[in-house]
Amino acid sequence: NAGVTQTPKFQVLKTGQSMTLQCAQDMNHNSMYWYRQDPGMGLRLIYYSASEGTTDKGEVPNGYNVSRLNKREFSLRLESAAPSQTSVYFCASSPGVLGQPQHFGDGTRLSIL
Amino acid sequence: ILNVEQSPQSLHVQEGDSTNFTCSFPSSNFYALHWYRWETAKSPEALFVMTLNGDEKKKGRISATLNTKEGYSYLYIKGSQPEDSATYLCAFRAAGNKLTFGGGTRVLVKP
Repeated sequence: NAGVTQTPKFQVLKTGQSMTLQCAQDMNHNSMYWYRQDPGMGLRLIYYSASEGTTDKGEVPNGYNVSRLNKREFSLRLESAAPSQTSVYFCASSPGVLGQPQHFGDGTRLSIL
Repeated sequence: ILNVEQSPQSLHVQEGDSTNFTCSFPSSNFYALHWYRWETAKSPEALFVMTLNGDEKKKGRISATLNTKEGYSYLYIKGSQPEDSATYLCAFRAAGNKLTFGGGTRVLVKP
């Protein structure tokens, strides 16, 4: 059971470089999410996609873009990485139905020098 | 930005003791309250999703209660074991599908 798969697991970038974090789910979920986790701050929502073809900003969207490529895949792009974006990034998905939890990937640890 | 607060931020529990901690959330526009268990170096795993005022949920030695009118939920761990050591996150869902997470309560159970 793959669930939510994130790639890569680790990445080191230089300031100004760009990269895309990939996320795919095989549970036929409608909704997908990107979070970042920083020490002492819990999980903060960057962007989410309530359903295929839609995306919306979360709490901390600045410096990021997203693409809901199809129902399975939701990517997060950093166009010009900054040290403040050093974090652990989690992708999650949910059916989108009230009463159902979110399922999380294993995270991507991103360091920007 | 919705305010979801968890207290305490951390607590140490002796093995065998019971403990509880709190999640506070807005009392208006309530749709659901989630609890997740997050072990170090792993991803958060769902414990409960609570949708009705007065809900009580139980999974093994862990249980949760919900008061939507006053905006709080308690998570209880009975007879704590070392494997209960984790960060426990609550998350509030208003209209729409997105969750607002609290900062978590880190529980360390000492043998």
